[in-house]
Amino acid sequence: SQKIEQNSEALNIQEGKTATLTCNYTNYSPAYLQWYRQDPGRGPVFLLLIRENEKEKRKERLKVTFDTTLKQSLFHITASQPADSATYLCALDSHTGKLIFGQGTTLQVKP
Amino acid sequence: DTAVSQTPKYLVTQMGNDKSIKCEQNLGHDTMYWYKQDSKKFLKIMFSYNNKELIINETVPNRFSPKSPDKAHLNLHINSLELGDSAVYFCASSQGRQANGYTFGSGTRLTVV
Repeated sequence: SQKIEQNSEALNIQEGKTATLTCNYTNYSPAYLQWYRQDPGRGPVFLLLIRENEKEKRKERLKVTFDTTLKQSLFHITASQPADSATYLCALDSHTGKLIFGQGTTLQVKP
Repeated sequence: DTAVSQTPKYLVTQMGNDKSIKCEQNLGHDTMYWYKQDSKKFLKIMFSYNNKELIINETVPNRFSPKSPDKAHLNLHINSLELGDSAVYFCASSQGRQANGYTFGSGTRLTVV
């Protein structure tokens, strides 16, 4: 069966460190993989998109990698700040026109 | 402000009632969606419309009926509400095949009592 798994529900790190979040998928051949941020009581906010033929994408302190052989995406936040604390969602489109979401990882950055 | 706006933000209603949630986007996007986020925060697609045409209709009870009067609006009507319908419902829009990400509304928290 098709699955998207973000390998931890919660991640706690110290301010200034790099946060690394993992998204694994099975039985999908995604065209795109996207990362979103969701704060409590708000809708998800789009952060980054990476295509199946791309290995890495960067935006300011954010970096996403995409390994279609391992069926995995890594999402990095460098020099993390308490304001980065939120739930981060990965989502993929498997050429069906549907964007399917993982269950999210809640990141807590401690000062 | 350019955005996806949905109303109401909170909706508390009794079992068996019929209710609607409205969604509007002023981004000029051609595709709109309804997602349901359950108590475990899992976001699941329900419907998608492209230029007023239904293109995705997931396994959703037929008590849920989307309506798109034009490409800027996508409303969700729910008949005979059940306790299990309690969730947060998100409207979203995108231009093209998700290539630029979705823009989500702030959600409607539906509580059925």
